[in-house]
Amino acid sequence: NAGVTQTPKFQVLKTGQSMTLQCAQDMNHNSMYWYRQDPGMGLRLIYYSASEGTTDKGEVPNGYNVSRLNKREFSLRLESAAPSQTSVYFCASSEAGTLRQPQHFGDGTRLSIL
Amino acid sequence: GESVGLHLPTLSVQEGDNSIINCAYSNSASDYFIWYKQESGKGPQFIIDIRSNMDKRQGQRVTVLLNKTVKHLSLQIAATQPGDSAVYFCAEKAAGNKLTFGGGTRVLVKP
Repeated sequence: NAGVTQTPKFQVLKTGQSMTLQCAQDMNHNSMYWYRQDPGMGLRLIYYSASEGTTDKGEVPNGYNVSRLNKREFSLRLESAAPSQTSVYFCASSEAGTLRQPQHFGDGTRLSIL
Repeated sequence: GESVGLHLPTLSVQEGDNSIINCAYSNSASDYFIWYKQESGKGPQFIIDIRSNMDKRQGQRVTVLLNKTVKHLSLQIAATQPGDSAVYFCAEKAAGNKLTFGGGTRVLVKP
């Protein structure tokens, strides 16, 4: 049981390049989330998907887009990477976002934008 | 992960002693709280949760205490071990889908 799997684990981009971060969960969870984690700050929500077919903005959505491909997969896209997007990105899932259930996290993608 | 914690508060504890990690939350409407552990290079790992209709919940070697009057949450780790060295942070949930995360406390276990 892998839980939440993120790919790639590391990536270096040049300013202006685009890329997609992949996330898949095998827990049959309805809700999925993308966060970024920066030094000295708590996790900040970028986008979330309460259920298959829906997506909503979180706290820091600018510069990102998401796709809920199916129940298992939720991808995050940077269309034109900027140095301010250098961060560690975490994907998470939960049974249903509105319930009082914990979110389970992947091990992150460490992204550097030069 | 390794990118978190440049300015985190740090708790140093002797191996075998008990640890207490504190968290102040902001939203009096929050009704669900979670403690996570994050080791270097890893994602946050769920430890224990508590709902607002409780003031104490115990797990294996961990206890979470909730004081709604002063909006305070604590995590107690019994007989701290070297493997407990990590960053710990709390999260709170009010209405809707979103969790709000605290900045974290680094725990260093001394042999």
